[in-house]
Order: sequence, then structure tokens, then C-alpha cells
Amino acid sequence: KAGVTQTPRYLIKTRGQQVTLSCSPISGHRSVSWYQQTPGQGLQFLFEYFSETQRNKGNFPGRFSGRQFSNSRSEMNVSTLELGDSALYLCASSPSGGASETQYFGPGTRLLVL
Amino acid sequence: AQKITQTQPGMFVQEKEAVTLDCTYDTSDPSYGLFWYKQPSSGEMIFLIYQGSYDQQNATEGRYSLNFQKARKSANLVISASQLGDSAMYFCAMRESWGGNNRLAFGKGNQVVVIP
Repeated sequence: KAGVTQTPRYLIKTRGQQVTLSCSPISGHRSVSWYQQTPGQGLQFLFEYFSETQRNKGNFPGRFSGRQFSNSRSEMNVSTLELGDSALYLCASSPSGGASETQYFGPGTRLLVL
Repeated sequence: AQKITQTQPGMFVQEKEAVTLDCTYDTSDPSYGLFWYKQPSSGEMIFLIYQGSYDQQNATEGRYSLNFQKARKSANLVISASQLGDSAMYFCAMRESWGGNNRLAFGKGNQVVVIP
């Protein structure tokens, strides 16, 4: 089975712009979660989607949003970019999001905001 | 409050030796899962091993084993026979089951460098 894929792998944006990141889960996985990783804050949960519905949300401002499509692919969007949004954004998938299920991560998208 | 604590500084390990990475956690949920991930410099998080809170035996996966001490809320990772490719950041994570929570809470990580 192919793993989790994320596009693009690298992005450079300027403050005030918006960005959309894409994640394709492992085939058959319906739960997709997003995480932000920064040197200062570490890995932080953004949100989780299951069956096209946001099921869990982390403590991030409304500038961060996401969606999931019927094929389980997910996108996250960050509007009005700030310098502090520079981070590695990781997407993870699991079959249904159960507590004992392993989340498998993609390679991440490195976002640099100038 | 921090749910996962990894406090060891960066570690240098001799090739072929074993290394133990400490992880303590905090939860009042009786049902939870503990995970260890490896993150090489490329950035991808690679799943290593899983331990469920009700599992009676310590988990093992090849050269990885988990020393699970439930009463102490400790889930240390042991890597046996270290290899140069084991050089990476290692993260301990927990997922609680209450409220349909599917988020992983991560520790700050342990940096491991394997030297020949």
C-alpha cells in the first residue's frame, strides 16, 4: 500500500498570503489528522477529519481551516499568513480514528513565511 | 498541563549498544494508547511501537521494545543493537479514548546520535 502523501513538500509565502496544503491518506483510511511542528512549540494537533466532517479541533485560531473530500483526501488552509506560521505541517491517517489505531504520517510540508 | 514528558538531553550512543529513552505521561483516562515515533532529519514521522493501557505484556517490535510501567505512568523505549540509521529524534505520544478524542499528544522528543 502506498503511504500518506503530502503536497507540496516545500512552500515559501509572504505575510498576509494564504496557503493550501494537501494530504492523501493511505488507501482505506478515513480519518485524517493534521499537526503543526515548530521548534518552540513542538508537535501540536490542529484538527481531525472523518467522513468529510471535522471531528476534533485543536487550539488554533480560525485562520486555520480544513476539509475532507469523499475520497478521504484532505486539505488544510491557512489564511492571512503570519511569520509564526512557519512550520512543518504533518498529516496522518488511520482507518477510523480509534484510540488504539496507529496514525501513519506523511513526509510533511515545510512552510516558510517571509 | 503537559501530558507527555521527555526530559533527557541529546544522547550519543555507540553503535551496537542499547539505548533507553524515557517517557512519562499523565492521564486519568483508564483507556489510552502510547506510541513511539522516530523522526529523522527528513521530517517524516515513522511509527515504531504501540502499547495499549490494558496490554498485560510489554510491546516489542524487532529491535524496539517498550518498558511499560503503568503504576508509574512510564513508557520507556529501548532500542537494542543501535545502528547508524537510528540517529534521529524520538517522540513519545499518547492518545486518550474519552470523548472520541483522536488527537495524539506528543512529548518534546529525544535526540539520539549513534556514533561508529
